[in-house]
Amino acid sequence: AQSVTQPDIHITVSEGASLELRCNYSYGATPYLFWYVQSPGQGLQLLLKYFSGDTLVQGIKGFEAEFKRSQSSFNLRKPSVHWSDAAEYFCAVALRGGGATNKLIFGTGTLLAVQP
Amino acid sequence: SQTIHQWPATLVQPVGSPLSLECTVEGTSNPNLYWYRQAAGRGLQLLFYSVGIGQISSEVPQNLSASRPQDRQFILSSKKLLLSDSGFYLCAWSVQYGYTFGSGTRLTVV
Repeated sequence: AQSVTQPDIHITVSEGASLELRCNYSYGATPYLFWYVQSPGQGLQLLLKYFSGDTLVQGIKGFEAEFKRSQSSFNLRKPSVHWSDAAEYFCAVALRGGGATNKLIFGTGTLLAVQP
Repeated sequence: SQTIHQWPATLVQPVGSPLSLECTVEGTSNPNLYWYRQAAGRGLQLLFYSVGIGQISSEVPQNLSASRPQDRQFILSSKKLLLSDSGFYLCAWSVQYGYTFGSGTRLTVV
């Protein structure tokens, strides 16, 4: 079945430590890939997206993500986490050539806590 | 500029009461429109999407309905709310593969 999986529900890291949030997808063809962040009580903000080309994508707020076709993964990374990065992070996909709908399908999210 | 308006920001409704959440977009024509729900401890679930006026597709069976009476207006409704309808509702629009999200409505059914 088609799905987007974020295996880590909660992650806690210390401020200044590195971060990697995992995302795996299961689709017949490589979809368009997105990472969003949702701060408490806020809407969604796009961190970065991958459509094609360089498999290492740079985003806002110092985040990057790497697309690995062989692993069907699109993991989000940040070399040094700041306390303000505490939020919920969502991986999302949209099917290429999905017709008129362009539906965006989300993973279940990873809640990031940052310890001082 | 392209903007999306969603209201109200918070809503507390009794079980069995009706619901109407409205979403309007500006700065674009003929967008795809979407309603998502985020329940406590769960991800963002796509409820409905629309590719044009009067065209509504439902992704999951539920107590809710959606309508698109105008090109840039998307409404989420219920005749009788259930406790399980509580959650955070997000409206979104897209043109091609660029997506814009509203600020959301926090619905609590009591």
